[in-house]
Amino acid sequence: DGGITQSPKYLFRKEGQNVTLSCEQNLNHDAMYWYRQDPGQGLRLIYYSQIVNDFQKGDIAEGYSVSREKKESFPLTVTSAQKNPTAFYLCASRNSGGRNEQFFGPGTRLTVL
Amino acid sequence: QQQVKQSPQSLIVQKGGISIINCAYENTAFDYFPWYQQFPGKGPALLIAIRPDVSEKKEGRFTISFNKSAKQFSLHIMDSQPGDSATYFCAACTSGTYKYIFGTGTRLKVLA
Repeated sequence: DGGITQSPKYLFRKEGQNVTLSCEQNLNHDAMYWYRQDPGQGLRLIYYSQIVNDFQKGDIAEGYSVSREKKESFPLTVTSAQKNPTAFYLCASRNSGGRNEQFFGPGTRLTVL
Repeated sequence: QQQVKQSPQSLIVQKGGISIINCAYENTAFDYFPWYQQFPGKGPALLIAIRPDVSEKKEGRFTISFNKSAKQFSLHIMDSQPGDSATYFCAACTSGTYKYIFGTGTRLKVLA
């Protein structure tokens, strides 16, 4: 099956700990994205990558870091510098040719205790 | 100028009725306008999208109306069904960067 996988579905961490969220896609898409979703605020862009070994900050990049060493993988690290990390995190990828559609993964709900 | 304003925040419609969700933008460089449907605990799924060279696009019961001069676009769900109950997001981006800006979402409930 082609698609985007995010793991784990639920994640709990203590305040002050860094945590890495996984995102893998087997759609052969060049572009990948990380969004944060909070109630009543829609989706806000954290980081995006148009191609391997390149990525750009989104609107709320502070306290987050990413890497894009492989086309199929785009992990997101939530650092202790992120003031309010509890949220639903969504990874997406986009096919660069054709319809340029963005596909989303199932999301990871992070709770910081 | 990067915002996309979406309304209403919530919407209740009777089965068989028409659901209408509106979005407005300011950045005239936006040239791709998708709508997404999201069920609780799931990732959003692309529903339908439009580019500004057309004023309307229809796919099944879903229609996007686009008004370039007013910088507004809307989603119409005809013959709304209880299974359409979900949160709907509009978005906008430029085809150069594909950096998406999302609206705040509309929670739709269709009564049986």
